[in-house]
Amino acid sequence: SQTIHQWPATLVQPVGSPLSLECTVEGTSNPNLYWYRQAAGRGLQLLFYSVGIGQISSEVPQNLSASRPQDRQFILSSKKLLLSDSGFYLCASRVTGVNTEAFFGQGTRLTVV
Amino acid sequence: DQQVKQNSPSLSVQEGRISILNCDYTNSMFDYFLWYKKYPAEGPTFLISISSIKDKNEDGRFTVFLNKSAKHLSLHIVPSQPGDSAVYFCAASEAGTYKYIFGTGTRLKVLA
Repeated sequence: SQTIHQWPATLVQPVGSPLSLECTVEGTSNPNLYWYRQAAGRGLQLLFYSVGIGQISSEVPQNLSASRPQDRQFILSSKKLLLSDSGFYLCASRVTGVNTEAFFGQGTRLTVV
Repeated sequence: DQQVKQNSPSLSVQEGRISILNCDYTNSMFDYFLWYKKYPAEGPTFLISISSIKDKNEDGRFTVFLNKSAKHLSLHIVPSQPGDSAVYFCAASEAGTYKYIFGTGTRLKVLA
């Protein structure tokens, strides 16, 4: 089965600072990769997904960007953080194919101060 | 526009009784549905799924029911245990897309 590694687990960053969250996947090749955010008291909002190296689809306009430099590496970035970027960020991976479940990492709690 | 809705933010159930969590969706093109369980400060873990060609799928204490005409699915947990206390998310996927759309979650509390 897949293992999703996310780091760091918690992060406190000042407004205006850059952000880089990394996610790596073990146990599969050519996965579909996802970044979700859970804001306080809210559901899981899909931010970005990728079906291959260098291919990124953005779901919501925002202050964030994503990149996939390697098959099993997915990076979430920002040049200048906003207070509204605070939340719980989750990386997920799914084996390519129809009707398969996604596996999630343990998440990163980002607090922008 | 919330395509997947969980209208009950919380639910309390006595240990040993049945827990029923509900989920409604608006997109008739969704063809695959999943339930996840989430503890605080952790990633969601997959519980059970169902394809739109079925109306029921069972795995141990967990059963998911799908009513396509009503665009409604539910998760039944029998018997409920204190360790089931968590937030439960339903999710849906449309054929030909790669996205999972999640609901807002229901917090289940199983009382000992």
